[in-house]
Order: sequence, then C-alpha cells, then structure tokens
Amino acid sequence: AQKITQTQPGMFVQEKEAVTLDCTYDTSDPSYGLFWYKQPSSGEMIFLIYQGSYDQQNATEGRYSLNFQKARKSANLVISASQLGDSAMYFCAMSALTGNTDKLIFGTGTRLQVFP
Amino acid sequence: NAGVTQTPKFRVLKTGQSMTLLCAQDMNHEYMYWYRQDPGMGLRLIHYSVGEGTTAKGEVPDGYNVSRLKKQNFLLGLESAAPSQTSVYFCASSSWTGAYEQYFGPGTRLTVT
Repeated sequence: AQKITQTQPGMFVQEKEAVTLDCTYDTSDPSYGLFWYKQPSSGEMIFLIYQGSYDQQNATEGRYSLNFQKARKSANLVISASQLGDSAMYFCAMSALTGNTDKLIFGTGTRLQVFP
Repeated sequence: NAGVTQTPKFRVLKTGQSMTLLCAQDMNHEYMYWYRQDPGMGLRLIHYSVGEGTTAKGEVPDGYNVSRLKKQNFLLGLESAAPSQTSVYFCASSSWTGAYEQYFGPGTRLTVT
C-alpha cells in the first residue's frame, strides 16, 4: 500500500536560515509523483513543488528544492533563506495511480515556524 | 479566472440534517476530487470524478455521495450528518492523468453538533 510519512510534527528555523522538512514514501509502483503543499493559517492549500519518479534532477522552484533520493524513498523539502511568511503547515503527498486517475496520498504534515 | 471555488465557506449542521457542498472550477479540468482534513491529519480522499457523469469512491467514502452533472461542478452531499463528519472539506481539480498538480479550493469548514 502507498504511504507517506512525515516524522517531524513541528520545526523551528530562524529567519534567513535554510530548513529541511523530511518526507519518506512507500510504493511499489514504478511511476509516481511527489508533491509538497503549503497550508498557511488561512487554510488554503498552495502547491509548491513536484518531482516525478523518473526525473533525473532534483526539482527546484525559487527558494524551494526537493531532495529526491529514490533508493531511500525520501523526498525532503529544502527551503532556503527562510522568511517569516514561510510559517505554515507543510504537507508531502504522492500520486498513486488508481483506476484511470492519479489520487494524492498525503502525509500528516509538519508545522514550520520561522522566528526573527 | 477564479480557479476552484467552494460554497459555502462555513456551515453548522445538527445531527441528521443534510446538505450539499458545491465545488466549481473554471479551468476546464477533467478530474475533480473531494478531500476531508481532520486535525493532526493530512487530507484524505472521499470521492473523485474523472469526467462529467462519472464518480468513484476514494479512501473514506462512507456517509457521502457525489454528483458530476456538469464538467465544471462537483457536488458533495451529506444525507444524514454525523458529528464524525465535522471537518474541513477541500475540493480540487486537475487537468490530466499523470497529474502534475491538483488545484485546491479554499475549503469549507463544517461543524456537526
């Protein structure tokens, strides 16, 4: 069965520092996608970054990068130069092909707090 | 271009009452999804749809029904609300299988007393 594990319930980081949020996954499918979403206190889900299982290079989007280690089944999110506005819940998710559509399976999330 | 919208934003129901949550998207997406989010948990898939007139069960479908009569709309119904259905409900849509990204609505906070 597919599963996403986020072992850090909460993380603290000082402004302008980098932080890594951990995510491990379990799947037997050779083709899958890995996603990170941000959920600020206002509640909406904001897409941050995507990594395909066949992508050779780690995905990057501005200050976000995804450290994809396929053999370890990990997909950690790295936020560089943290900002106060990065304080939020962060969810790792995996696309699981079921039937004829991909469904997202989410981890339980990590609450990141950025302090001055 | 509004993206994904959800109606209502908040609702309080009494046990046994029924209601319908409306999700609308203006991106011409084929696929639409309903998730629920409970405290301390990630989102869990309730039902999904791969196109107009089609629906399928997700991970936690019991107590809910859905309909996709129009491509742009995906309705989630609670026939007889229970306190266990107190949650935040998110609708999402995506454009194609092998989904690169699902676009989420702002959520509906439902409380069942």
